[in-house]
Amino acid sequence: AQSVTQPDIHITVSEGASLELRCNYSYGATPYLFWYVQSPGQGLQLLLKYFSGDTLVQGIKGFEAEFKRSQSSFNLRKPSVHWSDAAEYFCAVCLYTGNQFYFGTGTSLTVIP
Amino acid sequence: EAGVVQSPRYKIIEKKQPVAFWCNPISGHNTLYWYRQNLGQGPELLIRYENEEAVDDSQLPKDRFSAERLKGVDSTLKIQPAELGDSAVYLCASSDPGQGNYGYTFGSGTRLTVV
Repeated sequence: AQSVTQPDIHITVSEGASLELRCNYSYGATPYLFWYVQSPGQGLQLLLKYFSGDTLVQGIKGFEAEFKRSQSSFNLRKPSVHWSDAAEYFCAVCLYTGNQFYFGTGTSLTVIP
Repeated sequence: EAGVVQSPRYKIIEKKQPVAFWCNPISGHNTLYWYRQNLGQGPELLIRYENEEAVDDSQLPKDRFSAERLKGVDSTLKIQPAELGDSAVYLCASSDPGQGNYGYTFGSGTRLTVV
């Protein structure tokens, strides 16, 4: 069955520390891959996306993600977390342009001073 | 650019009552989606429109949910009657097929509480 897995329900990091959020997918072919962030009471904001080409993609707010085909993973990273990064992060896949998104269950990030 | 506009932002209703949500997509975006996000979960697709045609409504609970997109612009999602389990955030998104998923944008959502 097709699925997107975010194994970490909740992560707590100190401000200034590095961050890595995990995402694994299970599909027959390489889908389009996305990371979204959702602040409380807000909609989803796109952080970055991967369609093809360079497997390391840069996004907004200093985030980056690396696609690893062999591991079916698309992990999100940030070298130094800011308090304003506290939010819910969703990994999503889409099989082709215009098709629906399949979301993971999300990872809640807490940033402590 | 206003983005995807949804209203209302919040709605509290008693069970068995009807409720409607409205979405105005980004101008020129032909594809419109309604997603439901349950607490602690990722969004799940309810229905997808290409212009005024519902091209994927396989996950829409048709016994109580309905949607329309007259004239292929704004859209309304309705629940009648609402049940306690319908409490969730209802998200609208739109995309321009010419840009594909480069132009996929979500609205801020409507948070529904059924009591």
